[in-house]
Amino acid sequence: GQQVMQIPQYQHVQEGEDFTTYCNSSTTLSNIQWYKQRPGGHPVFLIQLVKSGEVKKQKRLTFQFGEAKKNSSLHITATQTTDVGTYFCAGRDSGGYQKVTFGIGTKLQVIP
Amino acid sequence: KAGVTQTPRYLIKTRGQQVTLSCSPISGHRSVSWYQQTPGQGLQFLFEYFSETQRNKGNFPGRFSGRQFSNSRSEMNVSTLELGDSALYLCASSPSGTSYNEQFFGPGTRLTVL
Repeated sequence: GQQVMQIPQYQHVQEGEDFTTYCNSSTTLSNIQWYKQRPGGHPVFLIQLVKSGEVKKQKRLTFQFGEAKKNSSLHITATQTTDVGTYFCAGRDSGGYQKVTFGIGTKLQVIP
Repeated sequence: KAGVTQTPRYLIKTRGQQVTLSCSPISGHRSVSWYQQTPGQGLQFLFEYFSETQRNKGNFPGRFSGRQFSNSRSEMNVSTLELGDSALYLCASSPSGTSYNEQFFGPGTRLTVL
Protein backbone atom coordinates (compact mmCIF):
# COMPACT_ATOMS: atom_id res chain seq x y z
CA GLY A 1 0.00 0.00 0.00
CA GLN A 2 0.88 3.63 -0.23
CA GLN A 3 3.43 4.92 2.26
CA VAL A 4 4.31 8.53 2.98
CA MET A 5 7.60 9.06 4.76
CA GLN A 6 8.21 12.34 6.50
CA ILE A 7 11.49 13.63 7.92
CA PRO A 8 12.67 14.76 10.32
CA GLN A 9 10.34 13.65 13.11
CA TYR A 10 11.62 16.34 15.45
CA GLN A 11 13.36 19.64 14.90
CA HIS A 12 14.54 22.23 17.39
CA VAL A 13 15.53 25.58 15.95
CA GLN A 14 16.55 28.91 17.37
CA GLU A 15 14.03 31.62 16.68
CA GLY A 16 14.95 33.27 13.41
CA GLU A 17 16.44 30.14 11.87
CA ASP A 18 14.90 28.40 8.89
CA PHE A 19 13.12 25.06 9.00
CA THR A 20 12.29 22.44 6.37
CA THR A 21 10.30 19.23 6.49
CA TYR A 22 10.20 16.70 3.68
CA CYS A 23 7.68 14.12 2.53
CA ASN A 24 8.27 11.25 0.16
CA SER A 25 5.61 8.93 -1.20
CA SER A 26 6.09 5.39 -2.43
CA THR A 27 3.51 6.04 -5.17
CA THR A 28 2.55 8.92 -7.43
CA LEU A 29 0.12 11.28 -5.76
CA SER A 30 -2.85 13.12 -7.19
CA ASN A 31 -2.33 15.89 -4.67
CA ILE A 32 -0.65 16.60 -1.38
CA GLN A 33 -1.96 18.66 1.49
CA TRP A 34 -0.17 20.16 4.46
CA TYR A 35 -1.62 20.53 7.93
CA LYS A 36 -0.43 22.11 11.17
CA GLN A 37 -1.36 20.83 14.60
CA ARG A 38 -0.63 23.07 17.57
CA PRO A 39 0.07 21.37 20.92
CA GLY A 40 -3.23 20.13 22.35
CA GLY A 41 -5.09 21.04 19.17
CA HIS A 42 -6.29 19.35 16.04
CA PRO A 43 -4.80 19.44 12.52
CA VAL A 44 -5.61 22.58 10.56
CA PHE A 45 -5.33 22.74 6.79
CA LEU A 46 -2.54 24.91 5.43
CA ILE A 47 -2.40 24.32 1.69
CA GLN A 48 -2.93 21.88 -1.17
CA LEU A 49 -0.59 21.23 -4.09
CA VAL A 50 -1.88 19.55 -7.21
CA LYS A 51 0.38 20.27 -10.17
CA SER A 52 3.76 18.73 -10.88
CA GLY A 53 6.54 21.11 -9.78
CA GLU A 54 4.07 23.45 -8.09
CA VAL A 55 5.40 26.03 -5.63
CA LYS A 56 3.13 28.03 -3.35
CA LYS A 57 3.96 30.64 -0.74
CA GLN A 58 2.12 31.80 2.35
CA LYS A 59 4.07 34.62 3.96
CA ARG A 60 7.13 32.89 5.43
CA LEU A 61 6.01 29.40 4.36
CA THR A 62 7.00 27.90 1.00
CA PHE A 63 5.48 24.64 -0.22
CA GLN A 64 6.82 22.58 -3.10
CA PHE A 65 5.48 19.56 -4.99
CA GLY A 66 8.03 17.47 -6.86
CA GLU A 67 8.10 17.06 -10.61
CA ALA A 68 7.24 13.37 -10.29
CA LYS A 69 4.46 14.15 -7.78
CA LYS A 70 6.03 11.80 -5.26
CA ASN A 71 7.68 14.26 -2.90
CA SER A 72 6.95 17.56 -1.26
CA SER A 73 8.52 19.99 1.16
CA LEU A 74 7.53 22.78 3.51
CA HIS A 75 10.09 25.47 4.25
CA ILE A 76 9.65 28.13 6.92
CA THR A 77 11.90 31.18 6.73
CA ALA A 78 12.94 32.94 9.93
CA THR A 79 10.91 30.86 12.37
CA GLN A 80 8.88 32.47 15.12
CA THR A 81 7.55 31.01 18.35
CA THR A 82 4.09 30.97 16.78
CA ASP A 83 5.35 28.35 14.31
CA VAL A 84 5.58 25.75 17.09
CA GLY A 85 3.55 22.64 16.36
CA THR A 86 3.55 19.47 14.32
CA TYR A 87 3.45 19.72 10.55
CA PHE A 88 1.87 16.88 8.59
CA CYS A 89 1.82 16.15 4.92
CA ALA A 90 -1.11 14.14 3.56
CA GLY A 91 -0.93 12.50 0.18
CA ARG A 92 -3.80 11.12 -1.80
CA ASP A 93 -3.15 8.31 -4.26
CA SER A 94 -3.76 9.10 -7.89
CA GLY A 95 -6.77 7.53 -9.52
CA GLY A 96 -10.27 7.91 -8.17
CA TYR A 97 -11.31 8.42 -4.58
CA GLN A 98 -8.20 7.07 -2.96
CA LYS A 99 -7.60 7.31 0.74
CA VAL A 100 -5.38 9.94 2.25
CA THR A 101 -2.14 8.82 3.85
CA PHE A 102 -0.58 11.13 6.40
CA GLY A 103 3.11 11.41 7.08
CA ILE A 104 4.16 10.82 10.68
CA GLY A 105 4.61 14.55 11.13
CA THR A 106 7.50 16.82 12.05
CA LYS A 107 7.33 18.34 15.50
CA LEU A 108 8.87 21.80 15.45
CA GLN A 109 10.13 23.45 18.59
CA VAL A 110 11.29 27.05 18.36
CA ILE A 111 13.68 28.27 21.06
CA PRO A 112 13.24 31.98 21.79
CA LYS B 1 -20.73 27.96 10.27
CA ALA B 2 -20.15 25.72 13.23
CA GLY B 3 -17.08 23.52 13.02
CA VAL B 4 -16.83 19.75 13.23
CA THR B 5 -18.02 18.50 16.59
CA GLN B 6 -17.14 15.23 18.27
CA THR B 7 -18.66 13.62 21.31
CA PRO B 8 -17.66 12.67 23.85
CA ARG B 9 -14.39 14.57 24.19
CA TYR B 10 -12.94 12.17 26.74
CA LEU B 11 -13.70 8.56 27.46
CA ILE B 12 -12.28 5.97 29.82
CA LYS B 13 -13.08 2.31 29.21
CA THR B 14 -11.73 -1.03 30.31
CA ARG B 15 -10.42 -3.83 28.18
CA GLY B 16 -13.11 -5.91 26.52
CA GLN B 17 -15.71 -3.16 26.51
CA GLN B 18 -17.00 -1.47 23.40
CA VAL B 19 -17.28 2.21 22.59
CA THR B 20 -19.16 4.42 20.15
CA LEU B 21 -17.84 7.81 19.10
CA SER B 22 -19.87 10.43 17.30
CA CYS B 23 -18.98 13.08 14.74
CA SER B 24 -21.12 15.88 13.33
CA PRO B 25 -19.57 17.41 10.20
CA ILE B 26 -19.78 20.99 9.10
CA SER B 27 -23.21 21.73 7.68
CA GLY B 28 -23.31 20.83 3.99
CA HIS B 29 -20.28 18.54 4.14
CA ARG B 30 -21.02 15.05 2.89
CA SER B 31 -17.67 13.35 3.40
CA VAL B 32 -16.47 12.21 6.81
CA SER B 33 -13.17 10.50 7.57
CA TRP B 34 -11.90 9.00 10.79
CA TYR B 35 -8.31 8.86 12.00
CA GLN B 36 -6.52 7.36 14.97
CA GLN B 37 -3.69 9.48 16.36
CA THR B 38 -1.04 8.07 18.65
CA PRO B 39 2.37 9.56 19.54
CA GLY B 40 4.37 6.89 17.79
CA GLN B 41 2.22 6.30 14.72
CA GLY B 42 0.95 9.71 13.75
CA LEU B 43 -2.43 9.90 12.02
CA GLN B 44 -3.66 6.52 10.85
CA PHE B 45 -6.60 6.45 8.45
CA LEU B 46 -9.56 4.38 9.64
CA PHE B 47 -12.31 4.93 7.08
CA GLU B 48 -14.02 7.47 4.89
CA TYR B 49 -17.74 7.84 4.29
CA PHE B 50 -19.55 9.74 1.62
CA SER B 51 -23.33 9.87 1.33
CA GLU B 52 -23.76 6.98 3.78
CA THR B 53 -21.35 4.72 1.86
CA GLN B 54 -17.95 3.63 3.03
CA ARG B 55 -15.64 4.76 0.28
CA ASN B 56 -12.28 3.77 1.72
CA LYS B 57 -10.99 1.74 4.61
CA GLY B 58 -7.65 1.69 6.37
CA ASN B 59 -5.73 -1.28 7.70
CA PHE B 60 -7.49 -1.77 11.00
CA PRO B 61 -9.04 -4.96 12.37
CA GLY B 62 -12.74 -5.66 12.05
CA ARG B 63 -13.26 -4.50 15.64
CA PHE B 64 -13.28 -1.01 14.18
CA SER B 65 -16.42 -0.15 12.29
CA GLY B 66 -18.31 2.94 11.30
CA ARG B 67 -21.37 4.27 9.61
CA GLN B 68 -22.79 7.48 8.27
CA PHE B 69 -26.36 8.67 8.54
CA SER B 70 -28.49 10.50 6.01
CA ASN B 71 -27.73 13.82 7.74
CA SER B 72 -23.99 13.10 7.23
CA ARG B 73 -23.39 12.56 10.93
CA SER B 74 -21.07 9.64 11.51
CA GLU B 75 -20.30 7.18 14.25
CA MET B 76 -17.45 4.80 14.77
CA ASN B 77 -17.53 1.79 17.01
CA VAL B 78 -14.72 -0.17 18.55
CA SER B 79 -15.60 -3.51 20.07
CA THR B 80 -13.58 -5.64 22.47
CA LEU B 81 -11.30 -2.80 23.42
CA GLU B 82 -7.58 -3.43 23.84
CA LEU B 83 -5.00 -1.35 25.68
CA GLY B 84 -3.46 -0.40 22.34
CA ASP B 85 -6.69 1.30 21.27
CA SER B 86 -5.92 4.18 23.60
CA ALA B 87 -5.56 7.15 21.28
CA LEU B 88 -7.01 10.40 20.07
CA TYR B 89 -9.72 9.68 17.50
CA LEU B 90 -10.15 12.47 15.01
CA CYS B 91 -12.99 13.00 12.64
CA ALA B 92 -12.65 15.21 9.57
CA SER B 93 -15.25 16.45 7.13
CA SER B 94 -14.96 17.84 3.63
CA PRO B 95 -17.51 19.38 1.30
CA SER B 96 -17.99 16.88 -1.46
CA GLY B 97 -16.94 13.72 -3.14
CA THR B 98 -13.93 15.05 -5.02
CA SER B 99 -10.39 14.20 -4.04
CA TYR B 100 -9.37 17.83 -3.94
CA ASN B 101 -11.02 19.17 -0.82
CA GLU B 102 -9.29 20.16 2.37
CA GLN B 103 -10.36 18.31 5.47
CA PHE B 104 -11.74 20.11 8.50
CA PHE B 105 -10.86 18.30 11.69
CA GLY B 106 -12.85 18.13 14.88
CA PRO B 107 -11.27 18.43 18.33
CA GLY B 108 -11.12 14.66 18.71
CA THR B 109 -12.19 12.12 21.30
CA ARG B 110 -9.47 11.07 23.73
CA LEU B 111 -10.02 7.37 24.50
CA THR B 112 -8.19 5.73 27.36
CA VAL B 113 -8.43 1.96 27.75
CA LEU B 114 -7.49 0.59 31.17
